[in-house]
Parts: sequence; structure tokens; C-alpha cells
Amino acid sequence: GNSVTQMEGPVTLSEEAFLTINCTYTATGYPSLFWYVQYPGEGLQLLLKATKADDKGSNKGFEATYRKETTSFHLEKGSVQVSDSAVYFCAFQGAQKLVFGQGTRLTINP
Amino acid sequence: DSGVTQTPKHLITATGQRVTLRCSPRSGDLSVYWYQQSLDQGLQFLIHYYNGEERAKGNILERFSAQQFPDLHSELNLSSLELGDSALYFCASNPGQGFGYTFGSGTRLTVV
Repeated sequence: GNSVTQMEGPVTLSEEAFLTINCTYTATGYPSLFWYVQYPGEGLQLLLKATKADDKGSNKGFEATYRKETTSFHLEKGSVQVSDSAVYFCAFQGAQKLVFGQGTRLTINP
Repeated sequence: DSGVTQTPKHLITATGQRVTLRCSPRSGDLSVYWYQQSLDQGLQFLIHYYNGEERAKGNILERFSAQQFPDLHSELNLSSLELGDSALYFCASNPGQGFGYTFGSGTRLTVV
């Protein structure tokens, strides 16, 4: 069935390190793909999205490229900051709903 | 402020009780989605309404029900509450299919 598989957390990095959070999906066709971020005590915020193959979404230094060959949408950032500490969710647009991965908790240490 | 308003922010109630969670979507958005976020189960889709009509149901228990009113706000009713219903309940809205969702800040329900 339709699902999203994310890299298991928690992930702990030092400030200025390179970040990759893996995400792969199983879905019919080529759905729009999203990354959401949830800061402590808050709701989910849209971080970036891509609507078709080879699209690259980017925001706040984060990037993800829609790879239809590998059905992946990995999140990357070149130099993380303490303020990036949050839970990150990968999702795709299913029929009448967003389908989310389990979330990856990221902690950045100074 | 995302534009999606959820009330109350926190709710503590006893097992067996009934509660109502309220969501006001972002201005102009016709779709409202409800999700449950438990510690160990991530985000579970509950139900989707579009302009007052139910469009999709997910893993929503029979003890739970929802509706969307003519002014587009939505309510999620949870009855015969159990300890396992303790979770964060999020509402999201969007203008329609294919658009990203805007989430509210959630209602944290604790059943004791």
C-alpha cells in the first residue's frame, strides 16, 4: 500500500555538520512530495515541496530533489544550526490526504 | 500564526467522557483535515472534509466523529474516551487537492 519510509532517528549532529535525512515512498503514480518540520510544542510547518520528477524544493538552506527512479526525496542541508533542532516529516499527496512518514527527530549540538 | 486556529490548546479529561475539539481553517480554505499524533505512531490521518462534505476517512474509531459547518469550521468529537486516546490532535486546511497543508498548533488531549 501507499507509505513513506524515513530514516530512523534520533539523529544528533554538531553545528555546521552536513545533514541528510533519507525518505522513500511507495505510491501510485508520481505524487507531490513534501517535507514538514515540527518545532517543540508547535504544529507542522511546510518546509519545502516538489510536484514533479527532478524538481528540487528548497527553503532555509534545506533542499530535496524528487527522484522518481529511486522513489526518493532525501532532505539535505550543508551546514546545520542549533535552531534546526526539530522533528522532520516526509510526506506525499495521496488521494484526499497527505501520507506521512514516522518523523525523524534531529538534535543539533553547539 | 499559521491562520489555522485550534481550540482548546490543552484538554485533560477522565476516561469515559466526551470532548469536542474545534478547528477554524485558514481564510478561503475549503478543506479541513484531522490528524492524530501519538508518541509511538506518528501522524495518523483521521478524516477530511471539503466544503461541508466528508471526502475521506482514515483510521478513525467509531467513537470519534467529525463535521464541517457552513462557515467551514470543523469539530472533532471524541466519546467514551480511553487512556489510549491521549494524543495531539491536529487540524490542517488547504484550498483544495494538490496544495500544501497549513497546520494548526494542535490540541493536546490527556485522558486520565
